[in-house]
Amino acid sequence: GESVGLHLPTLSVQEGDNSIINCAYSNSASDYFIWYKQESGKGPQFIIDIRSNMDKRQGQRVTVLLNKTVKHLSLQIAATQPGDSAVYFCAENRGETSGSRLTFGEGTQLTVNP
Amino acid sequence: GAVVSQHPSRVICKSGTSVKIECRSLDFQATTMFWYRQFPKQSLMLMATSNEGSKATYEQGVEKDKFLINHASLTLSTLTVTSAHPEDSSFYICSANTGRRVNTEAFFGQGTRLTVV
Repeated sequence: GESVGLHLPTLSVQEGDNSIINCAYSNSASDYFIWYKQESGKGPQFIIDIRSNMDKRQGQRVTVLLNKTVKHLSLQIAATQPGDSAVYFCAENRGETSGSRLTFGEGTQLTVNP
Repeated sequence: GAVVSQHPSRVICKSGTSVKIECRSLDFQATTMFWYRQFPKQSLMLMATSNEGSKATYEQGVEKDKFLINHASLTLSTLTVTSAHPEDSSFYICSANTGRRVNTEAFFGQGTRLTVV
């Protein structure tokens, strides 16, 4: 299944399928991007990050792709599991000099059906 | 990863009273912490940057006299919502990063659900 960034805030997939969550960012000066997972009533949980000098980074079952030309970021989750159901946010650091001052995207609600 | 703890996790207060929320970095020192607010089914909105030993930096539109921030030590920042009103009811989340370098992972607390009645 695939979402289309900020205009489709929900994504429903079958267990075992691959999920793709998209995010568009607006500031070409952003040089660091993070994907977070947020379960209901909890704080965001780090999934994976990528710096602007890279276009792909892989983790365990997750891959982040960065296309700076069109200012687009995606999160791919392989073999999606029910435990992956949550809201996923992309966040960007707009080249700040002080720590991790992040700007968050709208978020996508991922629902995994058993 | 590093642990950031918030307290309380839930609080209900009467309109007109003040509420203090604590954010602690448990296993690292944080010269900078960040406070976010999140309304239901919305994204996190940065409210302010809490700087140890100096004044907080507030985002545009956030009232500094209503949301008092104190970062008195390298492991503790507090957010006080003064004269709370029902529209202040929200999920408040803090974050911190482990170093002075830019572009480092931010660790988030578990959030505080504030309900003003």
